Amino acid sequence: EAGVAQSPRYKIIEKRQSVAFWCNPISGHATLYWYQQILGQGPKLLIQFQNNGVVDDSQLPKDRFSAERLKGVDSTLKIQPAKLEDSAVYLCASSWDLNTGELFFGEGSRLTVL
Amino acid sequence: GENVEQHPSTLSVQEGDSAVIKCTYSDSASNYFPWYKQELGKRPQLIIDIRSNVGEKKDQRIAVTLNKTAKHFSLHITETQPEDSAVYFCAAGSSASKIIFGSGTRLSIRP
Repeated sequence: EAGVAQSPRYKIIEKRQSVAFWCNPISGHATLYWYQQILGQGPKLLIQFQNNGVVDDSQLPKDRFSAERLKGVDSTLKIQPAKLEDSAVYLCASSWDLNTGELFFGEGSRLTVL
Repeated sequence: GENVEQHPSTLSVQEGDSAVIKCTYSDSASNYFPWYKQELGKRPQLIIDIRSNVGEKKDQRIAVTLNKTAKHFSLHITETQPEDSAVYFCAAGSSASKIIFGSGTRLSIRP
């Protein structure tokens, strides 16, 4: 089966610019997650969707980050304006079950903010 | 909210020896404890998981133990091989609570 697809793989922007990341989960997976992984750290959950509804976005910096999952399939994560500390890999993951099943991760989108 | 602490942050073992990584969690409602392996530049991948209704689970050279009373769980890798070199993350979650990851352990296998 096809895995979780993410794009772009790499993005370099200057601070205060905007960027968007796209994720296509595994077909049939109802739960979709966006994690931020700063170099040398564990993945930090930014937002979690169940179908097209938000389950948890408590750690999403809502003044600059936004995410949507229209139609309960693909998702986009946007950062505007970007800060230096946003440099990280943004991992999208999907799963069958809510919080109690295997997370299938995409390859990630590496963001560098200059 | 849930907090997961992982130790050690780095671990170096001789090839063929065993490696143990330990994690503690704070939310007593957590009932799902997966372990992920992340090789350099690659995505995290699940290697083993355990649910709170069992105390131990084994899959070939990998085993995980869970102590619900103490709220800690451990990953054991026996007969380590060079391909075991990677960063390992523990995590904890439940159907009512998001999955939280530990900070990771960089495991190096010395030839």
